Amino acid sequence: AQSVTQLGSHVSVSEGALVLLRCNYSSSVPPYLFWYVQYPNQGLQLLLKYTTGATLVKGINGFEAEFKKSETSFHLTKPSAHMSDAAEYFCAVSEGNNAGNMLTFGGGTRLMVKP
Amino acid sequence: ETGVTQSPTHLIKTRGQQVTLRCSSQSGHNTVSWYQQALGQGPQFIFQYYREEENGRGNFPPRFSGLQFPNYSSELNVNALELDDSALYLCASSLGNSGNTIYFGEGSWLTVV
Repeated sequence: AQSVTQLGSHVSVSEGALVLLRCNYSSSVPPYLFWYVQYPNQGLQLLLKYTTGATLVKGINGFEAEFKKSETSFHLTKPSAHMSDAAEYFCAVSEGNNAGNMLTFGGGTRLMVKP
Repeated sequence: ETGVTQSPTHLIKTRGQQVTLRCSSQSGHNTVSWYQQALGQGPQFIFQYYREEENGRGNFPPRFSGLQFPNYSSELNVNALELDDSALYLCASSLGNSGNTIYFGEGSWLTVV
C-alpha cells in the first residue's frame, strides 16, 4: 500500500518569500510522484511530475521539486511567492508504470500569500 | 483548459436517490478514472476504466459503479445516496495505462440532503 503525508495543512508566506511545501510518501515499488494545484471551485492542474531520470523536476509557474529516495520525500519549492500562487496544493504518488491513473493523494496544503 | 469536461457542475439529491455523473475525456484518451474529494480533503481514487473495462478500484462500495463508452466518455453512478457522499467528483483522463500525464476535469459538486 502507498500513502502520502503533507506536513502542514496551512502554510503562509509573504509575497517574494521562498515557498516550501513538504511531501513524504511510502511506496513498496519505485514511485511516480506528482504535485497538483487546485484553485477555488476548480479541478486539479498538474504542476510537475517525477517518473524516472533526473531527480530535480521543474514545473510550471516557477515551481520545482526534488525526489529524494533516501528521505522518501518530494518537497515542492518556489524561490519567490506571488499572490497568484495562493491555492491548495496536493502531492500524489502512483506505483509506477503499472498504475495508470491510480493516484494516492495527500491531504493537501493551503498556501496563503501575504502582500 | 484540460479538455476534460464534466456534467453537471452542481446538483442536489436526496438521501436514497441515485445519481449519474458524466465525463467527456480529452480527445484520444482511452483511460479514465474517477475520484471523490470531500470538503477539505485530498481526492480519493474510486475506480479506473481502460478501453471500456474496469481495471482498478479503490475502497468504495459496489453502489459506486461506472461505465466507459466506445468513444471513451464515461459515467459514474452512485445508488442509494448517503449524506457522506456529498463531495466534489473529479474525472481524469490519460492516454494509455502507463503513467502518462493525467488531466482532470473541473468536477461535479454533489450535495446529498
